[in-house]
Amino acid sequence: RKEVEQDPGPFNVPEGATVAFNCTYSNSASQSFFWYRQDCRKEPKLLMSVYSSGNEDGRFTAQLNRASQYISLLIRDSKLSDSATYLCVCTGGGNKLTFGTGTQLKVEL
Amino acid sequence: DAGVIQSPRHEVTEMGQEVTLRCKPISGHNSLFWYRQTMMRGLELLIYFNNNVPIDDSGMPEDRFSAKMPNASFSTLKIQPSEPRDSAVYFCASAHRDWVGEQYFGPGTRLTVT
Repeated sequence: RKEVEQDPGPFNVPEGATVAFNCTYSNSASQSFFWYRQDCRKEPKLLMSVYSSGNEDGRFTAQLNRASQYISLLIRDSKLSDSATYLCVCTGGGNKLTFGTGTQLKVEL
Repeated sequence: DAGVIQSPRHEVTEMGQEVTLRCKPISGHNSLFWYRQTMMRGLELLIYFNNNVPIDDSGMPEDRFSAKMPNASFSTLKIQPSEPRDSAVYFCASAHRDWVGEQYFGPGTRLTVT
């Protein structure tokens, strides 16, 4: 079983739609969680951290459920520019980050 | 700031050749990470350094891979001898040690071994 599992997608949604991704993690000792975004043939970039109480950054909302060991990302009013692969990330031991393989989002006109 | 700098951006080499990838982290960052990304396996951590010292190299696939960080502004990842299965995108990332969740990635080196 992978440490971090994501539905690879693709999720094809119309512009303006709301879309949600989930991610599950297996290491119950993980302390910190993040969402990274990766555009095609580019490097990953930090999108947002995920806090236990949930957090929002504009159209993006991240949630953490420690009991069920899953993380979610909600995107409201999706834009064409949101098309990318979204990587779920957990801390492992020490300074290590463990990345999921990503969920691909395609926002269409 | 210029961000994390990697070179070369693309490398095509023949099986058996030595490959050296280079990375310059963001000034002031004291953690440096080398990753490999493939379609099948996603993004995998190979090795990371804190204050130029290798901390965890458990992700290094085998003895053909080695990494060094001789000073705070430079690191190399070497593959010798290279094999076709090493073909991947290799990313270097840096972070401040206290905020390792906020990693800044370089543009990557796309390696093709024929």
